[in-house]
Amino acid sequence: DGGITQSPKYLFRKEGQNVTLSCEQNLNHDAMYWYRQDPGQGLRLIYYSQIVNDFQKGDIAEGYSVSREKKESFPLTVTSAQKNPTAFYLCASSISRAMRQPQHFGDGTRLSIL
Amino acid sequence: AQSVTQLGSHVSVSEGALVLLRCNYSSSVPPYLFWYVQYPNQGLQLLLKYTSAATLVKGINGFEAEFKKSETSFHLTKPSAHMSDAAEYFCAVSDPTSGTYKYIFGTGTRLKVLA
Repeated sequence: DGGITQSPKYLFRKEGQNVTLSCEQNLNHDAMYWYRQDPGQGLRLIYYSQIVNDFQKGDIAEGYSVSREKKESFPLTVTSAQKNPTAFYLCASSISRAMRQPQHFGDGTRLSIL
Repeated sequence: AQSVTQLGSHVSVSEGALVLLRCNYSSSVPPYLFWYVQYPNQGLQLLLKYTSAATLVKGINGFEAEFKKSETSFHLTKPSAHMSDAAEYFCAVSDPTSGTYKYIFGTGTRLKVLA
């Protein structure tokens, strides 16, 4: 079945450490997104990518970085510059720039500080 | 800028009662609208979507929503709540004219179903 796979499901970060969250999709979707979810705040957009080798900052990009070298993959790195990284991270994809199509979501990665 | 407001961060209903979750959007043109459901420690699943066809949209699990342009609303309803409906629900909007290719989400409504 087609879908989005996020790994790992749980991740722990030490002070000063960069960590990378994986997101892979086999839906042949052009667009991919990363969101951060905190209790009571809904989903906040970190980065998004419409095509390979191109991505844009979302609303809370500081302290994060991404790459889009392959259509299927959109990894997110949480850098040491992100001082409050504890959150639930969701990756999503959509079929194209036709914004009438919904997003498909992975099952998320929960990041915590050690 | 496009925005979405979900009234009520927590809603409780009795099993078998009507479920009504509210969503209002701000946009000068009708956007595309979506409702998603999220169970604990999982991603979001699409319940239904409005893309400028019929104003009454039927989704999965017995949910439906009505697009009302005059009220800029897209409220989610279900005639009879089931225990399995307990989850968090998100309303989202996309604006095809904005050129930003972003989806905007509300802050969510957590539904509790009482036995």
